[in-house]
Amino acid sequence: EAGVTQFPSHSVIEKGQTVTLRCDPISGHDNLYWYRRVMGKEIKFLLHFVKESKQDESGMPNNRFLAERTGGTYSTLKVQPAELEDSGVYFCASSQDYRASGSPLHFGNGTRLTVT
Amino acid sequence: LAKTTQPISMDSYEGQEVNITCSHNNIATNDYITWYQQFPSQGPRFIIQGYKTKVTNEVASLFIPADRKSSTLSLPRVSLSDTAVYYCLVTRFSGTYKYIFGTGTRLKVLA
Repeated sequence: EAGVTQFPSHSVIEKGQTVTLRCDPISGHDNLYWYRRVMGKEIKFLLHFVKESKQDESGMPNNRFLAERTGGTYSTLKVQPAELEDSGVYFCASSQDYRASGSPLHFGNGTRLTVT
Repeated sequence: LAKTTQPISMDSYEGQEVNITCSHNNIATNDYITWYQQFPSQGPRFIIQGYKTKVTNEVASLFIPADRKSSTLSLPRVSLSDTAVYYCLVTRFSGTYKYIFGTGTRLKVLA
């Protein structure tokens, strides 16, 4: 099966611009998560979708970040306007049935965002 | 969710067994222990998950004592390619299914 894919792999934008990151989860996975790691810090949870619904968005840093998952398939994470502190690696992960314990997360390779 | 504590870094030599211990004193009844491996420029990769006692797969073993306040990931006969960061997570399969990463242990395998 194809893994979690993220696009683009790298993005360099100027402060104030808009960037949209895309994540395609493993087919059939209801759960989709966004995480990010900023330089030198831990991988931090951003939000969790169950199908098309936001289950938990407690990790979203502010209202410049907007995540969507229309139709419960792929997801996008938009940053508008981007700030310098948004630089980091953004990871997407998916997992299978949320009702089943033992469903591990499958991660994509991340999008490295650099805001200059 | 329970906070995890693990060593920042470890060095080992090829062919040795490596044990990485993680403490999670505030683990709750619904929580599982999950370990991930991460190579540079890649996303974390699932290694093993357990609830209690011992779990073994083709990659590693996970030892969890009866009180579940700690766990040990055991990697048998490591090779240079096992050099990576290893994360211990306490994951709760109820409510929001949140997976919280700690600082991880940077394992360096030497020739």
